[in-house]
Amino acid sequence: EDQVTQSPEALRLQEGESSSLNCSYTVSGLRGLFWYRQDPGKGPEFLFTLYSAGEEKEKERLKATLTKKESFLHITAPKPEDSATYLCAVQGLNNNDMRFGAGTRLTVKP
Amino acid sequence: KAGVTQTPRYLIKTRGQQVTLSCSPISGHRSVSWYQQTPGQGLQFLFEYFSETQRNKGNFPGRFSGRQFSNSRSEMNVSTLELGDSALYLCASSLVVRGAFQETQYFGPGTRLLVL
Repeated sequence: EDQVTQSPEALRLQEGESSSLNCSYTVSGLRGLFWYRQDPGKGPEFLFTLYSAGEEKEKERLKATLTKKESFLHITAPKPEDSATYLCAVQGLNNNDMRFGAGTRLTVKP
Repeated sequence: KAGVTQTPRYLIKTRGQQVTLSCSPISGHRSVSWYQQTPGQGLQFLFEYFSETQRNKGNFPGRFSGRQFSNSRSEMNVSTLELGDSALYLCASSLVVRGAFQETQYFGPGTRLLVL
């Protein structure tokens, strides 16, 4: 069964303090790994899709990387507006649904 | 291009009632998936519809059902509501080419359901 584990559960950073969020996964053939950002009371907002090990994607202060067993979301010089819950999800070759991790709740203090 | 829209945004029901939630996907998107999100269980997959057919279903009881119309709009129904059904229900749409597996899903704002 596909599984996704995200760590840490919560992360508090000072503004400008770079860090990384981890997403470990097990899947029977990876179709895609997805990162979303979710603000309280809102739907997840799409950030990145990664398809194969070694792939990297960037958007502003965020950079996502992928290996055969895990993905990292690197946050460089975060700002308070980056505070949100970051969700990781995988889609396997044998199914149509996405399996989500529990998320990492990021708080960036000014 | 307009995003995924869901109605209503908030709903209060009592145990035993039934509820219908609506989702309009992004224009051109033919796949619609539904998820339940709770603090304890996180995001859990309910079902996915493509071309008016349910293609995949998660591990939820038969009280949860859905359908998709010819314009790709989708509805989700929950019958005989229980207290544990209180959650944020999210709809997501994706572009599917030639019946292939869906790719990136784009979420709506959700419907917050409270069962009393």
